[in-house]
Amino acid sequence: DIQVTQSPSSLSASVGDRVTISCRTSQPINNYIHWYQQIPGKAPKLLVSSASTLQSGVPGRFAGSGFGTQFTLTITGLQPEDFATYYCQQSYLPPPIFGPGTKVEI
Amino acid sequence: EVQLVESGGGLVQPGGSLRVSCTASGFTLSSHWMHWVRQAPGKGLVWVSRINTGGSSTSYADSVKGRFTVSRDNAQNTLYLQLNSLRDEDTAVYYCARAQGDGAAIYDVWGQGALVTVSS
Repeated sequence: DIQVTQSPSSLSASVGDRVTISCRTSQPINNYIHWYQQIPGKAPKLLVSSASTLQSGVPGRFAGSGFGTQFTLTITGLQPEDFATYYCQQSYLPPPIFGPGTKVEI
Repeated sequence: EVQLVESGGGLVQPGGSLRVSCTASGFTLSSHWMHWVRQAPGKGLVWVSRINTGGSSTSYADSVKGRFTVSRDNAQNTLYLQLNSLRDEDTAVYYCARAQGDGAAIYDVWGQGALVTVSS
């Protein structure tokens, strides 16, 4: 199976900050990486698909980038509602694998 | 409104069985591959199973293979996950998730989750 890692596992930030979350895969996966946001007690929500495609309704302060084995989710101008856990997930080869998550907290 | 609503979670003893259902509304279930993803308390997301549009092809994580069965009734717009021979480590919130239109494992709609607790 493809291994997916994320860093950092958690970070502290303030409203208005720029936050960067990294995701790395154990082998090249082109752009088959997707990012989800999960607020405690809620289901995950798809933010970015295929490394950089922002989903409809997702604020423009979220941006994804990367190709191959290294990917990044950037939040520019952190808002109170952005404090959550973020997961990347590969779909290049089955089974789909999620990263361990990055918790963004105050 | 496009949504998935799950039901059927609960408390079950080790070795027991349970069926979780996921009912779709606002879209045609038969047009989408569907997946199950679980999340143990305080842990991350783990893929469990998937089923193609017609129900003829299924796949499972090694940890549940031979114990869990995914199925669907497109006429009823409902997806199912039958959980047998349950173990303590199967305790989790089980989410059904819709794969985007081309069948790729990109989950654009999620259910609210069904909590399954395995304990004596």
